Amino acid sequence: DAGVIQSPRHEVTEMGQEVTLRCKLISGHNSLFWYRQTMMRGLELLIYFNNNVPIDDSGMPEDRFSAKMPNASFSTLKIQPSEPRDSAVYFCASTAIRYNEQFFGPGTRLTVL
Amino acid sequence: AQKITQTQPGMFVQEKEAVTLDCTYDTSDQSYGLFWYKQPSSGEMIFLIYQGSYDEQNATEGRYSLNFQKARKSANLVISASQLGDSAMYFCAMREGYSGAGSYQLTFGKGTKLSVIP
Repeated sequence: DAGVIQSPRHEVTEMGQEVTLRCKLISGHNSLFWYRQTMMRGLELLIYFNNNVPIDDSGMPEDRFSAKMPNASFSTLKIQPSEPRDSAVYFCASTAIRYNEQFFGPGTRLTVL
Repeated sequence: AQKITQTQPGMFVQEKEAVTLDCTYDTSDQSYGLFWYKQPSSGEMIFLIYQGSYDEQNATEGRYSLNFQKARKSANLVISASQLGDSAMYFCAMREGYSGAGSYQLTFGKGTKLSVIP
């Protein structure tokens, strides 16, 4: 079975540009989580969805960040405009009620110059 | 207060020896879950082991076991017979609330970097 798929794996962009990170959930999962990992702050939950509905977005840093689930298997995290302090590894993870654990994607390493 | 505390930034262990990675947690919920994830240098997050707050026995998964001491609010990971491939960052995490209620979000500790010495 395919795991969580994230694209791109690496993204280098310039300050002020729009960045879109993509995530495909594992088939049959209905919960989706976006995390950000930095050396300073560790792993932080940004937002999560259950059944395509955003449940908690209190971790989203500011209005420059937005996340959507246009369908049950796909999500995007958009940063507009991007800033150097957004440089981090962004993970998405999915799960379903029959599981305890979350299943993580490989991450997207974002560098904003 | 931090919800998950991992007090050991780095640990060394000799190959084939056992090692314990510490984790303490803070919650007022009666129902919660505790997790350990491994992150090798390649960056992926690998689930290792889970302990529910109502589980009476300590969880075990192969060479991994979770030493769950509820009264002390600790959930230490024990790795037996360490291997070179165990060198990685290890994260303790907690889910508060009952998973059936859809409260799946995890709070992670800062991690412990384990280095296995040949």
